[in-house]
Amino acid sequence: TQLLEQSPQFLSIQEGENLTVYCNSSSVFSSLQWYRQEPGEGPVLLVTVVTGGEVKKLKRLTFQFGDARKDSSLHITAAQPGDTGLYLCAGARGSNYKLTFGKGTLLTVNP
Amino acid sequence: DAMVIQNPRYQVTQFGKPVTLSCSQTLNHNVMYWYQQKSSQAPKLLFHYYDKDFNNEADTPDNFQSRRPNTSFCFLDIRSPGLGDAAMYLCATSRDGSGMYEQYFGPGTRLTVT
Repeated sequence: TQLLEQSPQFLSIQEGENLTVYCNSSSVFSSLQWYRQEPGEGPVLLVTVVTGGEVKKLKRLTFQFGDARKDSSLHITAAQPGDTGLYLCAGARGSNYKLTFGKGTLLTVNP
Repeated sequence: DAMVIQNPRYQVTQFGKPVTLSCSQTLNHNVMYWYQQKSSQAPKLLFHYYDKDFNNEADTPDNFQSRRPNTSFCFLDIRSPGLGDAAMYLCATSRDGSGMYEQYFGPGTRLTVT
Protein backbone atom coordinates (compact mmCIF):
# COMPACT_ATOMS: atom_id res chain seq x y z
CA THR A 1 0.00 0.00 0.00
CA GLN A 2 1.39 3.35 -1.08
CA LEU A 3 0.73 5.76 1.76
CA LEU A 4 1.59 8.83 -0.32
CA GLU A 5 0.13 8.97 -3.80
CA GLN A 6 2.00 11.45 -5.96
CA SER A 7 0.71 12.63 -9.34
CA PRO A 8 1.39 12.99 -12.12
CA GLN A 9 4.27 10.55 -12.40
CA PHE A 10 5.64 12.23 -15.54
CA LEU A 11 5.17 15.78 -16.79
CA SER A 12 6.68 17.36 -19.89
CA ILE A 13 5.88 21.01 -20.52
CA GLN A 14 7.15 24.04 -22.39
CA GLU A 15 9.07 26.85 -20.78
CA GLY A 16 6.71 29.46 -19.37
CA GLU A 17 3.85 27.10 -18.56
CA ASN A 18 2.44 26.57 -15.08
CA LEU A 19 2.10 23.21 -13.40
CA THR A 20 0.89 21.57 -10.21
CA VAL A 21 2.08 18.37 -8.59
CA TYR A 22 -0.09 16.62 -6.03
CA CYS A 23 0.68 14.45 -3.05
CA ASN A 24 -2.30 12.71 -1.44
CA SER A 25 -2.87 10.32 1.41
CA SER A 26 -5.58 8.95 3.66
CA SER A 27 -3.18 9.30 6.58
CA VAL A 28 -2.38 12.37 8.63
CA PHE A 29 1.20 13.60 8.54
CA SER A 30 2.90 15.67 11.22
CA SER A 31 5.07 17.28 8.56
CA LEU A 32 5.62 17.01 4.87
CA GLN A 33 8.73 17.78 2.86
CA TRP A 34 9.24 18.47 -0.83
CA TYR A 35 12.55 17.62 -2.46
CA ARG A 36 13.97 18.21 -5.92
CA GLN A 37 16.52 15.84 -7.34
CA GLU A 38 18.56 16.60 -10.43
CA PRO A 39 20.02 13.77 -12.53
CA GLY A 40 23.02 12.17 -10.85
CA GLU A 41 22.59 14.11 -7.60
CA GLY A 42 20.92 13.58 -4.25
CA PRO A 43 17.53 15.07 -3.34
CA VAL A 44 17.65 18.65 -2.12
CA LEU A 45 15.15 19.81 0.47
CA LEU A 46 12.93 22.60 -0.88
CA VAL A 47 10.46 23.14 1.93
CA THR A 48 8.85 21.66 5.02
CA VAL A 49 5.21 22.28 5.89
CA VAL A 50 3.84 21.41 9.31
CA THR A 51 0.61 23.34 9.87
CA GLY A 52 -2.71 22.45 8.21
CA GLY A 53 -3.55 25.02 5.55
CA GLU A 54 -0.01 26.36 5.49
CA VAL A 55 1.22 27.99 2.28
CA LYS A 56 4.89 28.61 1.62
CA LYS A 57 6.48 30.31 -1.35
CA LEU A 58 9.96 29.84 -2.72
CA LYS A 59 10.38 32.21 -5.69
CA ARG A 60 8.16 30.71 -8.40
CA LEU A 61 7.27 27.65 -6.32
CA THR A 62 4.21 27.60 -4.05
CA PHE A 63 3.69 24.78 -1.57
CA GLN A 64 0.44 24.10 0.25
CA PHE A 65 -0.38 21.69 3.06
CA GLY A 66 -4.00 20.55 3.23
CA ASP A 67 -6.17 21.63 6.14
CA ALA A 68 -6.36 18.06 7.41
CA ARG A 69 -2.61 17.49 6.86
CA LYS A 70 -3.31 14.58 4.53
CA ASP A 71 -2.32 16.16 1.24
CA SER A 72 -0.02 18.73 -0.28
CA SER A 73 0.57 20.42 -3.59
CA LEU A 74 3.46 22.09 -5.36
CA HIS A 75 2.67 24.75 -7.95
CA ILE A 76 5.33 26.14 -10.27
CA THR A 77 4.64 29.36 -12.12
CA ALA A 78 6.32 30.09 -15.45
CA ALA A 79 8.44 26.95 -15.44
CA GLN A 80 12.02 27.18 -16.65
CA PRO A 81 14.38 24.48 -17.98
CA GLY A 82 16.29 24.74 -14.69
CA ASP A 83 13.20 23.38 -12.92
CA THR A 84 13.69 20.03 -14.64
CA GLY A 85 14.14 17.19 -12.17
CA LEU A 86 12.47 14.60 -9.99
CA TYR A 87 10.16 16.11 -7.39
CA LEU A 88 9.57 14.01 -4.31
CA CYS A 89 7.12 14.53 -1.49
CA ALA A 90 7.84 12.83 1.81
CA GLY A 91 5.84 12.79 5.01
CA ALA A 92 6.51 12.05 8.66
CA ARG A 93 3.74 10.35 10.65
CA GLY A 94 3.35 11.06 14.33
CA SER A 95 6.73 11.09 16.03
CA ASN A 96 8.25 8.61 13.60
CA TYR A 97 11.35 10.25 12.17
CA LYS A 98 11.41 7.89 9.17
CA LEU A 99 9.87 9.44 6.07
CA THR A 100 7.29 7.96 3.72
CA PHE A 101 8.11 8.94 0.16
CA GLY A 102 5.80 9.42 -2.77
CA LYS A 103 6.87 7.77 -6.04
CA GLY A 104 8.00 11.09 -7.46
CA THR A 105 7.12 13.32 -10.38
CA LEU A 106 9.65 13.51 -13.20
CA LEU A 107 9.35 17.02 -14.64
CA THR A 108 10.88 18.03 -17.94
CA VAL A 109 10.71 21.69 -18.98
CA ASN A 110 11.55 22.13 -22.64
CA PRO A 111 13.09 25.40 -23.88
CA ASP B 1 30.06 23.87 2.31
CA ALA B 2 29.02 20.27 1.82
CA MET B 3 27.15 18.94 4.84
CA VAL B 4 26.66 15.32 3.82
CA ILE B 5 29.52 13.90 1.83
CA GLN B 6 29.58 10.61 -0.01
CA ASN B 7 32.61 8.87 -1.45
CA PRO B 8 33.17 7.79 -4.06
CA ARG B 9 30.64 9.46 -6.36
CA TYR B 10 30.99 6.62 -8.84
CA GLN B 11 31.96 3.06 -8.00
CA VAL B 12 32.41 0.14 -10.36
CA THR B 13 32.69 -3.33 -8.89
CA GLN B 14 32.61 -6.84 -10.22
CA PHE B 15 29.86 -9.33 -9.63
CA GLY B 16 30.43 -10.86 -6.21
CA LYS B 17 33.30 -8.54 -5.22
CA PRO B 18 32.67 -6.79 -1.88
CA VAL B 19 32.36 -3.04 -1.98
CA THR B 20 32.12 -0.32 0.68
CA LEU B 21 30.51 3.06 0.26
CA SER B 22 31.14 5.84 2.74
CA CYS B 23 29.21 8.78 4.09
CA SER B 24 30.26 11.57 6.41
CA GLN B 25 28.36 14.52 7.85
CA THR B 26 29.22 17.84 9.44
CA LEU B 27 25.72 18.47 10.78
CA ASN B 28 26.16 16.47 14.00
CA HIS B 29 22.82 14.82 13.34
CA ASN B 30 22.01 11.77 15.43
CA VAL B 31 20.20 9.78 12.73
CA MET B 32 21.85 8.52 9.55
CA TYR B 33 20.11 6.64 6.74
CA TRP B 34 21.07 4.59 3.72
CA TYR B 35 18.73 4.50 0.73
CA GLN B 36 18.82 2.67 -2.56
CA GLN B 37 17.40 4.46 -5.57
CA LYS B 38 16.85 3.05 -9.05
CA SER B 39 16.10 5.00 -12.24
CA SER B 40 14.06 8.04 -11.18
CA GLN B 41 12.12 6.10 -8.57
CA ALA B 42 11.61 7.09 -4.96
CA PRO B 43 14.48 6.26 -2.60
CA LYS B 44 14.05 2.95 -0.78
CA LEU B 45 15.21 2.87 2.82
CA LEU B 46 17.68 0.07 3.54
CA PHE B 47 18.47 0.83 7.18
CA HIS B 48 19.24 3.62 9.56
CA TYR B 49 21.21 4.37 12.69
CA TYR B 50 19.62 6.20 15.58
CA ASP B 51 22.76 7.22 17.42
CA LYS B 52 24.55 3.88 17.73
CA ASP B 53 21.42 1.77 17.38
CA PHE B 54 21.14 -0.05 14.07
CA ASN B 55 17.67 -0.46 12.54
CA ASN B 56 17.23 -2.74 9.56
CA GLU B 57 14.24 -2.57 7.23
CA ALA B 58 12.44 -5.90 7.03
CA ASP B 59 12.97 -6.32 3.29
CA THR B 60 16.65 -5.32 3.17
CA PRO B 61 18.70 -8.27 1.90
CA ASP B 62 21.34 -9.77 4.20
CA ASN B 63 23.87 -8.88 1.50
CA PHE B 64 23.73 -5.29 2.77
CA GLN B 65 25.44 -4.35 6.02
CA SER B 66 26.28 -1.07 7.68
CA ARG B 67 28.69 0.36 10.21
CA ARG B 68 28.67 3.61 12.10
CA PRO B 69 31.96 3.99 13.99
CA ASN B 70 31.14 7.49 15.24
CA THR B 71 28.56 10.26 14.86
CA SER B 72 30.09 11.64 11.68
CA PHE B 73 30.69 8.53 9.61
CA CYS B 74 28.57 5.71 8.26
CA PHE B 75 29.46 2.93 5.84
CA LEU B 76 27.44 0.71 3.56
CA ASP B 77 28.96 -2.70 2.84
CA ILE B 78 27.67 -4.87 0.03
CA ARG B 79 29.14 -8.29 0.65
CA SER B 80 28.49 -9.94 -2.72
CA PRO B 81 27.08 -7.46 -5.22
CA GLY B 82 24.74 -8.78 -7.84
CA LEU B 83 23.70 -7.14 -11.08
CA GLY B 84 20.44 -6.12 -9.40
CA ASP B 85 22.35 -4.07 -6.86
CA ALA B 86 23.41 -1.55 -9.46
CA ALA B 87 21.77 1.68 -8.32
CA MET B 88 22.30 5.08 -6.77
CA TYR B 89 22.99 4.81 -3.05
CA LEU B 90 22.00 7.82 -0.99
CA CYS B 91 23.06 8.71 2.52
CA ALA B 92 20.89 11.07 4.54
CA THR B 93 20.89 12.55 8.02
CA SER B 94 18.33 14.06 10.34
CA ARG B 95 18.15 15.40 13.86
CA ASP B 96 15.49 13.65 15.86
CA GLY B 97 13.78 15.89 18.35
CA SER B 98 13.59 18.87 16.01
CA GLY B 99 9.94 18.15 15.24
CA MET B 100 10.50 18.91 11.57
CA TYR B 101 11.70 15.46 10.44
CA GLU B 102 13.76 16.96 7.65
CA GLN B 103 16.36 14.75 6.02
CA TYR B 104 19.48 16.06 4.34
CA PHE B 105 20.89 13.97 1.54
CA GLY B 106 24.36 13.53 0.19
CA PRO B 107 25.07 13.62 -3.55
CA GLY B 108 24.92 9.85 -3.81
CA THR B 109 27.21 7.09 -5.04
CA ARG B 110 26.36 5.55 -8.40
CA LEU B 111 27.24 1.85 -8.21
CA THR B 112 27.83 -0.16 -11.35
CA VAL B 113 28.20 -3.96 -11.18
CA THR B 114 29.95 -5.64 -14.08
